[in-house]
Amino acid sequence: GAGVSQSPSNKVTEKGKDVELRCDPISGHTALYWYRQSLGQGLEFLIYFQGNSAPDKSGLPSDRFSAERTGGSVSTLTIQRTQQEDSAVYLCASSLVARDTEAFFGQGTRLTVV
Amino acid sequence: DAKTTQPTSMDCAEGRAANLPCNHSTISGNEYVYWYRQIHSQGPQYIIHGLKNNETNEMASLIITEDRKSSTLILPHATLRDTAVYFCIVRVAGGGATNKLIFGTGTLLAVQP
Repeated sequence: GAGVSQSPSNKVTEKGKDVELRCDPISGHTALYWYRQSLGQGLEFLIYFQGNSAPDKSGLPSDRFSAERTGGSVSTLTIQRTQQEDSAVYLCASSLVARDTEAFFGQGTRLTVV
Repeated sequence: DAKTTQPTSMDCAEGRAANLPCNHSTISGNEYVYWYRQIHSQGPQYIIHGLKNNETNEMASLIITEDRKSSTLILPHATLRDTAVYFCIVRVAGGGATNKLIFGTGTLLAVQP
């Protein structure tokens, strides 16, 4: 399909390891968002990319978290030295921003840190 | 972005209309009202949005009060598949860093058979 694709769908990692989560947005969408959702909680905004503008990183919880968006398309969220509290579902969304419109979400990556 | 206030949970009988309220008393003139929902174990799904006029699409209707300080999402004939957490969000439309979506805790709508 042509929706937002995230990989892997599930990731189990050991505490202290680094992980990379990938998001393929819908083709042509210039805005890309990362959120995380802990069990039973709401969506926590992490970072927002809009075209060539500097990303809004205001939601990143610590300097262990970083994200890149290469060529205005694929994005990678990297978590260094993972901790157990990083366990959550990480959701990616993309949207057009030339006009007010909807954001399309992927199915998320479930990260479990053991 | 303006903050929103929603009830934590609501019940609705299957086949009846579900009316989900949202208060956004500090909304600015250039902020839209958006509604999303999240069905268990899925990513959020866009439902509808509006600025000041009432809006309707194939999923729902959005009623915005004249002073824009509150709104109501209406699912005209709720089904069991509409059981989900519904999020009311206000944000500036268009490009730029202020376009990010900030989700609150939402309303858990439980449609009862």
